[in-house]
Amino acid sequence: GENVEQHPSTLSVQEGDSAVIKCTYSDSASNYFPWYKQELGKGPQLIIDIRSNVGEKKDQRIAVTLNKTAKHFSLHITETQPEDSAVYFCLTGKPGGSYIPTFGRGTSLIVHP
Amino acid sequence: NAGVTQTPKFQVLKTGQSMTLQCAQDMNHEYMSWYRQDPGMGLRLIHYSVGAGITDQGEVPNGYNVSRSTTEDFPLRLLSAAPSQTSVYFCASSPRTGHTEAFFGQGTRLTVV
Repeated sequence: GENVEQHPSTLSVQEGDSAVIKCTYSDSASNYFPWYKQELGKGPQLIIDIRSNVGEKKDQRIAVTLNKTAKHFSLHITETQPEDSAVYFCLTGKPGGSYIPTFGRGTSLIVHP
Repeated sequence: NAGVTQTPKFQVLKTGQSMTLQCAQDMNHEYMSWYRQDPGMGLRLIHYSVGAGITDQGEVPNGYNVSRSTTEDFPLRLLSAAPSQTSVYFCASSPRTGHTEAFFGQGTRLTVV
């Protein structure tokens, strides 16, 4: 089955800095790469996703990049703000059958004012 | 628009008691799933369903039962609660098309004493 590794487990930055979280995966058939954000006391929420036919997707201050050859994808947050503090999860999906999200341990991002 | 609704939000049980965690969605999603979240462990899949009348086990199914008699509801039953089941439980749903956004409830914090 798919093996997804996410790094780092904890990331501490100053407000205004950029943050990058990287995930590597093993299944070359994976073609769907979403990122979820979980704020304290809430359920995870999709913030951005990318499919294998594109290499990068942006939405305001967040972006996801995908390198299918190297089997890794990254979440980039620019001009971080305290409200970006949360746990972020990367996931993968592939065609054929149901897609039930399988989460790893996530990255705890702390943005210091 | 309610989305995914979980009840109760908080619950304290004594060891050996039984209870049902309720989950309902109003988006006509085929896929529904239950996760538990423990400190440092991310979200682990307990059970999932790809449609009414169909359920399957996830990563940590022991001690839990599910049923899916309607598209809207996916209750999680603890038959004999144990302290190891102290956790935060999340229910999620997503469209049958798969590889799309999963919507999560606000969670149920369960303590077993």
